[in-house]
Amino acid sequence: SQKIEQNSEALNIQEGKTATLTCNYTNYSPAYLQWYRQDPGRGPVFLLLIRENEKEKRKERLKVTFDTTLKQSLFHITASQPADSATYLCASRGGATNKLIFGTGTLLAVQP
Amino acid sequence: ETGVTQTPRHLVMGMTNKKSLKCEQHLGHNAMYWYKQSAKKPLELMFVYNFKEQTENNSVPSRFSPECPNSSHLFLHLHTLQPEDSALYLCASSPPKGPQRSSYNSPLHFGNGTRLTVT
Repeated sequence: SQKIEQNSEALNIQEGKTATLTCNYTNYSPAYLQWYRQDPGRGPVFLLLIRENEKEKRKERLKVTFDTTLKQSLFHITASQPADSATYLCASRGGATNKLIFGTGTLLAVQP
Repeated sequence: ETGVTQTPRHLVMGMTNKKSLKCEQHLGHNAMYWYKQSAKKPLELMFVYNFKEQTENNSVPSRFSPECPNSSHLFLHLHTLQPEDSALYLCASSPPKGPQRSSYNSPLHFGNGTRLTVT
């Protein structure tokens, strides 16, 4: 079955460094991937969408890449700040079911 | 303010109670969704409505009963729940699908959820 996997281990980094989060997909070829941010007690908030024919997408300090060979998307936050601490989710519509499926999310903690 | 409002924010109910969750969106979207979010698990899609018609029921137990009276409102009626139903229930909306609008990859707009505890 179609799967999206994210590293369930929390990522701890120092303020000012670049955070890199990984999203891997298996058993399907999504036409695009979406990235969301979720804060405790809140719903996910959409950040970026990248299509399969786009290698890279940027928005301010955020950068997303899409590697269809590796079946992977990377989400980068440059010059990270404590306010970037949150859980980051990737999602895409899966194959025949066409449902929007989500990964479990990766918790990012940026230490001051 | 996300444009999608869910009430109540927190709900504690016994297994024999009946309660309802409410969702309202003012974004002009025609598709609405219920998701369940449990700890350490991916978001699970429960129901999808397009133009008030239910287009997806993701094998959800009958103790969860959705209702969509119009494109702006969505309810989730709960009865005889189990403790394992305790979770964050999220409502979301998105623009409608159709030949005139390419919403296939439109992002979802989520509410802040109802934290449900079943005792």
